[in-house]
Amino acid sequence: LAKTTQPISMDSYEGQEVNITCSHNNIATNDYITWYQQFPSQGPRFIIQGYKTKVTNEVASLFIPADRKSSTLSLPRVSLSDTAVYYCLVGDISGGYNKLIFGAGTRLAVHP
Amino acid sequence: GAVVSQHPSRVICKSGTSVKIECRSLDFQATTMFWYRQFPKQSLMLMATSNEGSKATYEQGVEKDKFLINHASLTLSTLTVTSAHPEDSSFYICSARRQGRDTQYFGPGTRLTVL
Repeated sequence: LAKTTQPISMDSYEGQEVNITCSHNNIATNDYITWYQQFPSQGPRFIIQGYKTKVTNEVASLFIPADRKSSTLSLPRVSLSDTAVYYCLVGDISGGYNKLIFGAGTRLAVHP
Repeated sequence: GAVVSQHPSRVICKSGTSVKIECRSLDFQATTMFWYRQFPKQSLMLMATSNEGSKATYEQGVEKDKFLINHASLTLSTLTVTSAHPEDSSFYICSARRQGRDTQYFGPGTRLTVL
């Protein structure tokens, strides 16, 4: 299972773009990259998932370079409600045993 | 789509009693469900993987006789904490995965407090 490394914490201000980078040097060929958001006392919420290049949805973008050894979650124009812990995970979602191991995550604090 | 529910959301019990937590996939069939535990200010720790119709696979250090998991149908998995102790107090979260190429979707969590 690939391990991931993220910054422990980040600070931003309302309206700014936030980029959280995750390193996963040992990512395997079949591994996908998935990002979750977690608020206190809630279960993680799926944000975005990708395999390579760029993926965009209504809440975020995910940039993955060609070597796939890292990925960057981009949150456009954050608001106070984006204050949460963000987890980057890698794993094979095509197999029958999709075990995800959570790292420490990145604690994002958005200030007024 | 992909909604997972848990019941109860919060439970308080006395030491020595058993507590059952339910995890349901509401709008999809989950061939695999996972159970996690999270202590305050810490990350999620995977406890076990549950496949429908077969025995659960427990992570190292998780007592299978203490944390009983049953995945009786494609939409329901249960975690029973037997003979609960105060150190079992934690936030328990389940997730479910659909068949095929898909990610995991998490439930809202269950706060267990053992007095």
